[in-house]
Amino acid sequence: IQMTQSPSTLSASIGDRVTITCRASQTINNWLAWFQQKPGKAPKILIYAASNLESGVPSRFSGSGSGTEFTLTISSLQPDDFATYYCQQYNIYPRTFGQGTTVEIK
Amino acid sequence: EVQLVESGGGLVQPGGSLRLSCAASGFDFFAYSMNWVRQSPGLGLEWVSYISSTSGTMHYADSVKGRFTISRDNARSEVYLQMNSLRDEDTAVYYCARDPGKLDYWGQGTRVTVSS
Repeated sequence: IQMTQSPSTLSASIGDRVTITCRASQTINNWLAWFQQKPGKAPKILIYAASNLESGVPSRFSGSGSGTEFTLTISSLQPDDFATYYCQQYNIYPRTFGQGTTVEIK
Repeated sequence: EVQLVESGGGLVQPGGSLRLSCAASGFDFFAYSMNWVRQSPGLGLEWVSYISSTSGTMHYADSVKGRFTISRDNARSEVYLQMNSLRDEDTAVYYCARDPGKLDYWGQGTRVTVSS
């Protein structure tokens, strides 16, 4: 299954609402996770099963979607949120990641 | 506290072998499936391999199938990745990740460089 994220890069300001899209090449039954990665660090899970917030993750992060189209939304961008975000399907093997979306400071 | 610590990375020549280890603590290792995920320099994440809690099921990415072998030792709380016939394109940071369906905890990674 191919996962396609858009955009590849996003420039935004503190306080902005940010949306990242992830499309699967076939249905993944909502078995989708979102990760945040900062330079030199391991990825950190934010959202699982498309819309479930991982414990300890700020509520400004949310996930939605079903079937083949999914979104990650940051309701009010904070300084700590500048990072690269990846979606990943875990419906079938091989598990596949999107190519990533880098959120930059505008 | 859940901890995953990878080791075993390093510099290896093309065609060579390396064995990565991931030591787990802070949870019942025997109850969880585990994965390896890699990230080539400046690039995105690539899932590599999966092993179920009892070692009954393994999966591999097509790019490593036949060259890499995942295994685990539940008594030692460790998961391994034996990498043979290494290629330049296997150069990456390799992460192990716990898998209760989702990849919820990751190690800090170990760097593998394949170069002559």
